Amino acid sequence: IQLTQSPSFLSASVGDRVTITCRASQGISSYLAWYQQKPGKAPKLLIYAASTLQSGVPSRFSGSGSGTEFTLTISSLQPEDFATYYCQQLNSYPHTFGGGTKVEIK
Amino acid sequence: EVQLVESGGGLVQPGGSLRLSCAASGFTFSSYEMNWVRQAPGKGLEWVSYISSSGSTIYYADSVKGRFTISRDNAKNSLYLQMNSLRAEDTAVYYCARARITKDFDIWGQGTMVTVSS
Repeated sequence: IQLTQSPSFLSASVGDRVTITCRASQGISSYLAWYQQKPGKAPKLLIYAASTLQSGVPSRFSGSGSGTEFTLTISSLQPEDFATYYCQQLNSYPHTFGGGTKVEIK
Repeated sequence: EVQLVESGGGLVQPGGSLRLSCAASGFTFSSYEMNWVRQAPGKGLEWVSYISSSGSTIYYADSVKGRFTISRDNAKNSLYLQMNSLRAEDTAVYYCARARITKDFDIWGQGTMVTVSS
């Protein structure tokens, strides 16, 4: 199963609403997770089961979708949110990741 | 504290071998499925391998099948990745990651760098 993230790069300002899309090459129900990665650090789980917020993750992050189209939304971008975001499908092996979306400061 | 700590990375020549280890602490290791994920310099994440809690079920990415072997020792709270016939394209940071019942990866190690070069 291939995952296509868009955009691959996003320039935004603090306070902006940001949406990242992840499209699966075939249906994966809600078996999708979102991760945030900062330079030199391990990825951090943000969202699982497509729309469930991981414990400790700020409520400005939200996920939606099922089947083949999913979105990660940051309602009001904060300075600490500038990072790269990855989706991952967990429906079947191999548990592929999307290509990533780098969110940078405008 | 729940923690995963990788070790064993380094510089190896093409065709060589390396064994990575991942030491788990702060949770009941034997109850969790585990994975290896890698990230080549400047590139995205690539899932590498999975092992069930008992070690009875294993999966590999096509890119490493036949060359890499995942294993675990629940008595030692440790996960391993034996890497043989290494290629330049295996150069990456290798992370071990814990999978929950929902299959997502909630705990990650800090990563260990593997460089394949002559």
